Amino acid sequence: AQSVTQLGSHVSVSEGALVLLRCNYSSSVPPYLFWYVQYPNQGLQLLLKYTSAATLVKGINGFEAEFKKSETSFHLTKPSAHMSDAAEYFCAVSQNSGNTPLVFGKGTRLSVIA
Amino acid sequence: EAGVVQSPRYKIIEKKQPVAFWCNPISGHNTLYWYLQNLGQGPELLIRYENEEAVDDSQLPKDRFSAERLKGVDSTLKIQPAELGDSAVYLCASSLAGAHNYNEQFFGPGTRLTVL
Repeated sequence: AQSVTQLGSHVSVSEGALVLLRCNYSSSVPPYLFWYVQYPNQGLQLLLKYTSAATLVKGINGFEAEFKKSETSFHLTKPSAHMSDAAEYFCAVSQNSGNTPLVFGKGTRLSVIA
Repeated sequence: EAGVVQSPRYKIIEKKQPVAFWCNPISGHNTLYWYLQNLGQGPELLIRYENEEAVDDSQLPKDRFSAERLKGVDSTLKIQPAELGDSAVYLCASSLAGAHNYNEQFFGPGTRLTVL
């Protein structure tokens, strides 16, 4: 079975500050890992994905995440927060084969303070 | 290229009434998913289709929920009768099989259901 734990249901940062959203996963098989962003009343948009090609993954909007197998973590970072980054962020895991369902964390709401 | 289309975007019904949601996936995507997203939670799988076959429906409450994907393209999810606890966002996603697609799923905007 696979599971995802996102530490902190709400994170608040100042504009221009570092964004760090934490994600730990559990998987009995090599995983694919994903970060999605959800703006109010919208669907989920893929930020980035880990597919075992490289441990440091760069995504859209200046976000990146690092896969650390020893820590079973896939934390999301951005050097400088923008007001437009305020949204809900979801970490997800799936098996690294076939079109298998995503298992999501409960999400972290990011607030950016001017 | 059009994304995943869902309708309606919002639906308000009285409890015990039936309701249906429609999803049109990205053209050519053979796998279609329905996820349930409760308030303040991450999405959870309800059912997964490979073409027209439901290959994973273990989380679908079959006493009141049903789904179909005729011709392996668009899909309909139905609830009959609806209960207060069904108030949530119903998300549809699609993906394309293939080793180089890495299970990337594309999501629609969702249908927000309110049961009164």
